[in-house]
Amino acid sequence: EAGVTQFPSHSVIEKGQTVTLRCDPISGHDNLYWYRRVMGKEIKFLLHFVKESKQDESGMPNNRFLAERTGGTYSTLKVQPAELEDSGVYFCASSLSHGFWANTEAFFGQGTRLTVV
Amino acid sequence: AQSVTQLDSQVPVFEEAPVELRCNYSSSVSVYLFWYVQYPNQGLQLLLKYLSGSTLVKGINGFEAEFNKSQTSFHLRKPSVHISDTAEYFCAVSDLTGNQFYFGTGTSLTVIP
Repeated sequence: EAGVTQFPSHSVIEKGQTVTLRCDPISGHDNLYWYRRVMGKEIKFLLHFVKESKQDESGMPNNRFLAERTGGTYSTLKVQPAELEDSGVYFCASSLSHGFWANTEAFFGQGTRLTVV
Repeated sequence: AQSVTQLDSQVPVFEEAPVELRCNYSSSVSVYLFWYVQYPNQGLQLLLKYLSGSTLVKGINGFEAEFNKSQTSFHLRKPSVHISDTAEYFCAVSDLTGNQFYFGTGTSLTVIP
């Protein structure tokens, strides 16, 4: 069974440019999460999809970030325009059910390392 | 809300020596506790979790952790580390609804031959 896949693994862009990160969850997982780790800091929640609907986007830092999950399959996270403070590692996770941490397992991708210069 | 503090950002240890990675949490409600590991170029992988019951939790790869409610700690231990244990380790907490995870800043474990 394929795991959670993220593309690209690394991205270096200039300030002001646009970047789109992609996450392919495990097939059949309705719940998809985005997290971000800024260097040296904790991994922080960004948002949660249930199928194609945004269940919780309380962690999105500002309106330069746009997440979509068309058709309830893969998800994209677009940053436009990128700023220096957006640099970090963006993780995606998926799970079968929510409230899942105890009852089921969340599976994480390897992350996308974004560097804004 | 909950929060997690990992006191050590980097821990070097010689191969076959024991290791303890420290984690303290803060919460006004009951919590679930977790340790995740990220090996180089891989995703986060669940090592172990505490939900209820026995305070000593055993996980994969010989790791274990002990939940101490009075000290609000959940330290991770391994009696003898291998080179392959070199990775970054994250402690995490959630409330009992599991609606959100709160991770620590991570501890980078380096096993020295």
